[in-house]
Amino acid sequence: EPEVTQTPSHQVTQMGQEVILRCVPISNHLYFYWYRQILGQKVEFLVSFYNNEISEKSEIFDDQFSVERPDGSNFTLKIRSTKLEDSAMYFCASSEGIRTGYGYTFGSGTRLTVV
Amino acid sequence: AQTVTQSQPEMSVQEAETVTLSCTYDTSESNYYLFWYKQPPSRQMILVIRQEAYKQQNATENRFSVNFQKAAKSFSLKISDSQLGDTAMYFCAFIPNNNDMRFGAGTRLTVKP
Repeated sequence: EPEVTQTPSHQVTQMGQEVILRCVPISNHLYFYWYRQILGQKVEFLVSFYNNEISEKSEIFDDQFSVERPDGSNFTLKIRSTKLEDSAMYFCASSEGIRTGYGYTFGSGTRLTVV
Repeated sequence: AQTVTQSQPEMSVQEAETVTLSCTYDTSESNYYLFWYKQPPSRQMILVIRQEAYKQQNATENRFSVNFQKAAKSFSLKISDSQLGDTAMYFCAFIPNNNDMRFGAGTRLTVKP
């Protein structure tokens, strides 16, 4: 069964450093998403992406964050100048269509720890 | 605001018994999609079951079924013959017509032997 692949599975970074979280969505999916889950808390929407541009973003997704599809397969989330409160699981997801009844396929997540 | 509410932070059930997890949502849309995702200790988000709002028939996937009450904006998940592997966080999620998927706060389910 097709999977969404995220790397790395765990990243530790110093406060103030930049990190790039990587995702390979399912190949025939056109819509891509990033979600965040602070440990033990709810899964929060960050951003959706389609046709090489952001479709929607939440209030969490401020200027510290950016997304990019640098080639035909990868979808990245960049966090500039990380803060302690950025420590969380970050999930990438993809879907065939926008806001569809098929739901989203999620990757296994990247655990980001900011120290 | 379009929100999803899970009022049960934690639940437990004996193995082989049945348990129901509650979810309510708020929307003014007439068509939308509802989902239950399971998150085991591995943290993977796994789709359990989905429901389209325009379909009156409740969705069923093996031991998992939903009770969808559109007028009440309620979407509960019933797990029959609970197994130890069902122990996980369960998230109710919702795609309204003009937004991306939103999640409830989750219910931590423990299946006891």
